[in-house]
Amino acid sequence: KQEVTQIPAALSVPEGENLVLNCSFTDSAIYNLQWFRQDPGKGLTSLLLIQSSQREQTSGRLNASLDKSSGRSTLYIAASQPGDSATYLCAVDYGNNRLAFGKGNQVVVIP
Amino acid sequence: EAGVAQSPRYKIIEKRQSVAFWCNPISGHATLYWYQQILGQGPKLLIQFQNNGVVDDSQLPKDRFSAERLKGVDSTLKIQPAKLEDSAVYLCASSLWGLSGPSTDTQYFGPGTRLTVL
Repeated sequence: KQEVTQIPAALSVPEGENLVLNCSFTDSAIYNLQWFRQDPGKGLTSLLLIQSSQREQTSGRLNASLDKSSGRSTLYIAASQPGDSATYLCAVDYGNNRLAFGKGNQVVVIP
Repeated sequence: EAGVAQSPRYKIIEKRQSVAFWCNPISGHATLYWYQQILGQGPKLLIQFQNNGVVDDSQLPKDRFSAERLKGVDSTLKIQPAKLEDSAVYLCASSLWGLSGPSTDTQYFGPGTRLTVL
């Protein structure tokens, strides 16, 4: 059974600092890994998708890396802003587009 | 492009009552998913449809939960009877491709239905 762990559960950073969020998974046989953002009372928004053959993906201030052999992914958010405050969820596709999610990193960016 | 629509947004019921949730996916999306997200947890996949067929329902508590996707478009998820531990947000998502699609198939999520069982 695929298990996804995200540490820390919650963190606060001053505006302008870089954010580093970690995700680990137990089974390296994944098809892709995705990072989602969830705002209170809203659904999930996909931020980045890394295919199993890739090592990283970038979109604007966001960069995600994937080390499949060690079962780890890291999401970097450069120069954090108050609008980045949200919960960030890591999910692995373990086949047929089925996703296993971590519990999330709750982020607060302090102005 | 319209997103995934869900209704109702909120529902409060007594335990042992029945409840149903509705989802309208993005037009043209072949695959539809129902997730359960308990407070403080990540979403858990309950059931996955491709068109109107079930692909995976291994984590659906079939003694009380049921789901259908008529005509391969809208879907309903029902709980009968509800238990206290069913209190959660029920998320619906859809994606463009079926099982033969690429590994870059992004899932688009609706806003969810927050269920409180008293």
